[in-house]
Amino acid sequence: NAGVTQTPKFQVLKTGQSMTLQCAQDMNHEYMSWYRQDPGMGLRLIHYSVGAGITDQGEVPNGYNVSRSTTEDFPLRLLSAAPSQTSVYFCATLPRGGGYGYTFGSGTRLTVV
Amino acid sequence: GNSVTQMEGPVTLSEEAFLTINCTYTATGYPSLFWYVQYPGEGLQLLLKATKADDKGSNKGFEATYRKETTSFHLEKGSVQVSDSAVYFCALSNSGYSTLTFGKGTMLLVSP
Repeated sequence: NAGVTQTPKFQVLKTGQSMTLQCAQDMNHEYMSWYRQDPGMGLRLIHYSVGAGITDQGEVPNGYNVSRSTTEDFPLRLLSAAPSQTSVYFCATLPRGGGYGYTFGSGTRLTVV
Repeated sequence: GNSVTQMEGPVTLSEEAFLTINCTYTATGYPSLFWYVQYPGEGLQLLLKATKADDKGSNKGFEATYRKETTSFHLEKGSVQVSDSAVYFCALSNSGYSTLTFGKGTMLLVSP
């Protein structure tokens, strides 16, 4: 049982490039979300999804797009990377009803130069 | 809106010392409260949670009690170990659990 799988683990982008951070889960969790972690800022919510076909914005959505075509996958797209998007990105999932709480992936460390 | 405030770190302790990390929150309704732990180079792991007033969450010797009257959820451990060195995040969730609001995290460093 893989849980939440994020790829890639590390990425360096040039300013203006686009890329997709992948998040896949095999736990059939309804809720999925993307957070970014920056020093001294804690984790901030970028986008989230309460089920396939449904997405919504979080606290810091600008510069990012998401879609949820299946229960398993929730990719995060950077449209035109900027140095301000240098961060560690975490995907997190949650079963309907909450269960024992969120399960986090191991993160993607992104550097934009 | 929701917010979580936790004490700034780093908190530096000797092994077997008593630990308290303060956490207070602002939220509408009756949120669920969580403590997450992040070990170096890893993602976040749920440490404990409480879903209603006066609930006590506990795990691995850590405890926290949901105090609605003081809007607090302080993390405690009676005797810390070097292996407890990590960053600890307090968080809350309402609206059916769909999103989490985090504090900024508190780094704990335990020396032998």
